[in-house]
Amino acid sequence: EVQLLESGGGLVQPGGSLRISCAASGFTFSSYAMTWVRQAPGKGLEWVSLITSSSASIYYADSVKGRFIISRDNSESTMSLQMNSLRPEDTAVYYCARQTTGTRQFSYWGQGTLVTVSS
Amino acid sequence: DIQLTQSPSFLSASVGDRVTITCRASQGISSFFAWYQQKPGKAPKVLIYGVSSLESGVPSRFSGSASGTEFTLTISSLQPEDFATYFCQQVNSYPITFGQGTRLEIK
Repeated sequence: EVQLLESGGGLVQPGGSLRISCAASGFTFSSYAMTWVRQAPGKGLEWVSLITSSSASIYYADSVKGRFIISRDNSESTMSLQMNSLRPEDTAVYYCARQTTGTRQFSYWGQGTLVTVSS
Repeated sequence: DIQLTQSPSFLSASVGDRVTITCRASQGISSFFAWYQQKPGKAPKVLIYGVSSLESGVPSRFSGSASGTEFTLTISSLQPEDFATYFCQQVNSYPITFGQGTRLEIK
């Protein structure tokens, strides 16, 4: 069974940093692109970043480019998002998801981790 | 960036109704298009991918179609468990974008 488990969320002050992680199991992690999607309270879905299976290609939303860094460790089946220079508008539930190869939809999602940026 | 304009934002319907949700893309996106369902406090769940292919395990009352840059999700006969929020998504190019969502509520 595919499982994705996010961790590391919490309360951080504006301008601060936080690292969230996604632990994967139940599939060959190194074969799939992985992604982060966030959802601000009461709002819609916003794609944040994607990293391909071998980390050869990385993509970011303009809203986080230059502040967030996505990475993965295929030996540990984990993905991380290092979030720097955090702003109140980064407050959201952050979901990790697995992208299906070829058709590209996000077929498996974690339960999400809440990041709150507030003083 | 490809913008997705989803309509309606809110829909009130009854069990057994046929409902349609539309998503219009600002430019062509080939077949890299999906629909998701999200229930309160839960992660989204993919229903349709590749415009019209049903994700494994999704009931056949859900269907997707497209005409040019207009994409449609149809639920043929609403069931109680279908009342949720629905999002469209394009994965044709970066940045990946979602529609703003359609909240489907019981009339």
